[in-house]
Amino acid sequence: AQKVTQAQTEISVVEKEDVTLDCVYETRDTTYYLFWYKQPPSGELVFLIRRNSFDEQNEISGRYSWNFQKSTSSFNFTITASQVVDSAVYFCALSRGDYKLSFGAGTTVTVRA
Amino acid sequence: DAGVIQSPRHEVTEMGQEVTLRCKPISGHDYLFWYRQTMMRGLELLIYFNNNVPIDDSGMPEDRFSAKMPNASFSTLKIQPSEPRDSAVYFCASRQDIGGPQHFGDGTRLSIL
Repeated sequence: AQKVTQAQTEISVVEKEDVTLDCVYETRDTTYYLFWYKQPPSGELVFLIRRNSFDEQNEISGRYSWNFQKSTSSFNFTITASQVVDSAVYFCALSRGDYKLSFGAGTTVTVRA
Repeated sequence: DAGVIQSPRHEVTEMGQEVTLRCKPISGHDYLFWYRQTMMRGLELLIYFNNNVPIDDSGMPEDRFSAKMPNASFSTLKIQPSEPRDSAVYFCASRQDIGGPQHFGDGTRLSIL
């Protein structure tokens, strides 16, 4: 069975603060894929990043960075110097590759000006 | 490049009416997925297709729901008869290959009165 846990339901910060979103996953597969998606208030789901289980390199894209640690089964996401436009629900998801994406419950991030 | 296109964006109809949701996947993507999102249950996979063939429909809630994919560029999700508990946002997503990210459409916000 696969499971994704996003323990933080809501996070509220002031603009320019850093925000770290936690994601812990469970799987028995040795090959799997991890994803982060963003759902802004307008409702669409936007793909942010994919990581496969063999690639533990951290990644940085602009103000976004991801920390993948197999030892702790975590795939955390940090927004540096947050902006109001970062306000959204962020979902972590896990797939063993065949088809099914198991989503976490999501973390609502509110960035106040 | 065009993303996944869903129509309509919003649908409001009365209980008992037939509802048809439409989806055009990204060209070249062999996998198509239908999801439902509600506050109570989060994102649920309803059904997915591979090369126009339904592979797993175990998430379809009941016989009132049906989905078809007559060709590689078009899919429908039909609810007949509709009920108020079907009110949700329905997403269509497509994926190019195993392990790749699913790209989502903007969703259809369905309200059954």
